[in-house]
Amino acid sequence: DVKVTQSSRYLVKRTGEKVFLECVQDMDHENMFWYRQDPGLGLRLIYFSYDVKMKEKGDIPEGYSVSREKKERFSLILESASTNQTSMYLCASRWGLSNSYEQYFGPGTRLTVT
Amino acid sequence: QKEVEQDPGPLSVPEGAIVSLNCTYSNSAFQYFMWYRQYSRKGPELLMYTYSSGNKEDGRFTAQVDKSSKYISLFIRDSQPSDSATYLCAMSEVYSNDYKLSFGAGTTVTVRA
Repeated sequence: DVKVTQSSRYLVKRTGEKVFLECVQDMDHENMFWYRQDPGLGLRLIYFSYDVKMKEKGDIPEGYSVSREKKERFSLILESASTNQTSMYLCASRWGLSNSYEQYFGPGTRLTVT
Repeated sequence: QKEVEQDPGPLSVPEGAIVSLNCTYSNSAFQYFMWYRQYSRKGPELLMYTYSSGNKEDGRFTAQVDKSSKYISLFIRDSQPSDSATYLCAMSEVYSNDYKLSFGAGTTVTVRA
């Protein structure tokens, strides 16, 4: 079974703090993704990585950065957390084959910024 | 206008009822269509996917795609309390260079015992 794990299920941080969210997958997937999920807005793509050290901006990259130093690990960084970044953060991964569209999701990290 | 529109519900049905969920989209280049199920406090998991138009059946679940109307549906027959979850539609262009999925907002379904 594919397993995608996220470092924390719940996180509470203060405004202005630097926040690290980590994601690890165990299936040797090339592609990894970070989304945020908000009520009524669905999943919105923040960043994705199609290979080690490669990254592309998604639809809402402002206020976030990412790091992918190893194939299995993809980190999301909030440089200076703000209250509007309170959300559920979901990591996903998938094979890099062009005919493989399924993304496998982690359990999510619910981040609250106060 | 969002690329993918999905009624967020919530939808509440008695056990055994047919659940009907749908999404509309505006991008005619979408070719892969997926339904994800997300239980409370969990990540989404793939339920079904279809390519291009037509129907696909898997047990109690049927996915339909009508590309001429830019409309996809998911039907759940003989619904069970264990089907209570949020259902998200997702879709992708073929040969998309950035492998992105476009998601609907999700419909929350409760099946009452």
